[in-house]
Amino acid sequence: DAGVIQSPRHEVTEMGQEVTLRCKPISGHNSLFWYRQTMMRGLELLIYFNNNVPIDDSGMPEDRFSAKMPNASFSTLKIQPSEPRDSAVYFCASSFSAGVNSPLHFGNGTRLTVT
Amino acid sequence: QQQVKQSPQSLIVQKGGISIINCAYENTAFDYFPWYQQFPGKGPALLIAIRPDVSEKKEGRFTISFNKSAKQFSLHIMDSQPGDSATYFCAARGANNLFFGTGTRLTVIP
Repeated sequence: DAGVIQSPRHEVTEMGQEVTLRCKPISGHNSLFWYRQTMMRGLELLIYFNNNVPIDDSGMPEDRFSAKMPNASFSTLKIQPSEPRDSAVYFCASSFSAGVNSPLHFGNGTRLTVT
Repeated sequence: QQQVKQSPQSLIVQKGGISIINCAYENTAFDYFPWYQQFPGKGPALLIAIRPDVSEKKEGRFTISFNKSAKQFSLHIMDSQPGDSATYFCAARGANNLFFGTGTRLTVIP
């Protein structure tokens, strides 16, 4: 089991540029979550998918953020245009289902720095 | 609005001591309370979890104590080891969302 795989591990970009973060969930998991972690706000849920369908995107901060899950093994989180306040660590997590007792398995995150 | 309040923000414990991290919540609809452990450069990993119909759960040196009437739960790490040094997050699940506390950075001094 390779775990949740995120890429890139680090991303440094200039304000205004488009950023795309990628995630490969654990095979067989049908729920996928995108979180953002900052010192000020901790871990925040941005969006989650169940069976490739976005269920709750109320945590997406602005229209500059968008997420897709074209198939069960791949998801992207895109920020366009990026801003310095988007600097954070972005985590992808997956679980067998969105049910109560399904533990989340997190990737190692993408550290995004927007200058 | 912070759904789950966690304290302390940081904790320093001597090797062999007991580490205690506390969390409180308001939403009585929460029905699953996991704790996650995060090492630098890694994602959070599930450590131990409890349902509200149980007052205590123990796994090795880690124990969750749950007080449903007070809407509080805590993590106890017995015989703390330097390898336990990490950031710990409590969480509560409700409405298919997992609400995390703000984290406690634990340092265990040899």
